[in-house]
Amino acid sequence: EAGVAQSPRYKIIEKRQSVAFWCNPISGHATLYWYQQILGQGPKLLIQFQNNGVVDDSQLPKDRFSAERLKGVDSTLKIQPAKLEDSAVYLCASSLMWGVDTQYFGPGTRLTVL
Amino acid sequence: QKEVEQNSGPLSVPEGAIASLNCTYSDRGSQSFFWYRQYSGKSPELIMFIYSNGDKEDGRFTAQLNKASQYVSLLIRDSQPSDSATYLCALYNFNKFYFGSGTKLNVKP
Repeated sequence: EAGVAQSPRYKIIEKRQSVAFWCNPISGHATLYWYQQILGQGPKLLIQFQNNGVVDDSQLPKDRFSAERLKGVDSTLKIQPAKLEDSAVYLCASSLMWGVDTQYFGPGTRLTVL
Repeated sequence: QKEVEQNSGPLSVPEGAIASLNCTYSDRGSQSFFWYRQYSGKSPELIMFIYSNGDKEDGRFTAQLNKASQYVSLLIRDSQPSDSATYLCALYNFNKFYFGSGTKLNVKP
């Protein structure tokens, strides 16, 4: 079974630029999560989708971050414009069901904002 | 106040010893708890979860939950150098997962 795929793996941009990350969850997984993990900290949930609907985005900085999950499969997370403090690893995870279910994480995208 | 608190470590133990990792949480109503392992530069992977008070064993790993004291712990028996990683405690509450900052474990050969 293929795992969660993410791209790109690394991205370096300058502040005020835009960037987008892509995630393909495990086939059949209804729930998809985006996390931000700053160096030395634990993952922080940004947004979670159930199929193509948003379940929670309370910790997503909506003035600059946006995410979508078209057709309930792939998802993209965008930052526009980026700030220095956005430098982090962005992790995508998926689970078969919504709620208390095992999350499977992708390899992450390491973003550096200069 | 953070939902989940962990000592950042590092916790150093000799090979073959028992490593004890601890986590406290703030919301008494939290029901589901998870331990993840994260190797440097890699993504988290689930070790085990626990919902009920008491102990839950899986191979060399034992999770312990004490809801009255609001703490969760993970014991690793016969620690191996390959267990050297950051261990993240997480809980599920209010329809969201909350992660601690992790404890770094070093197992010395």
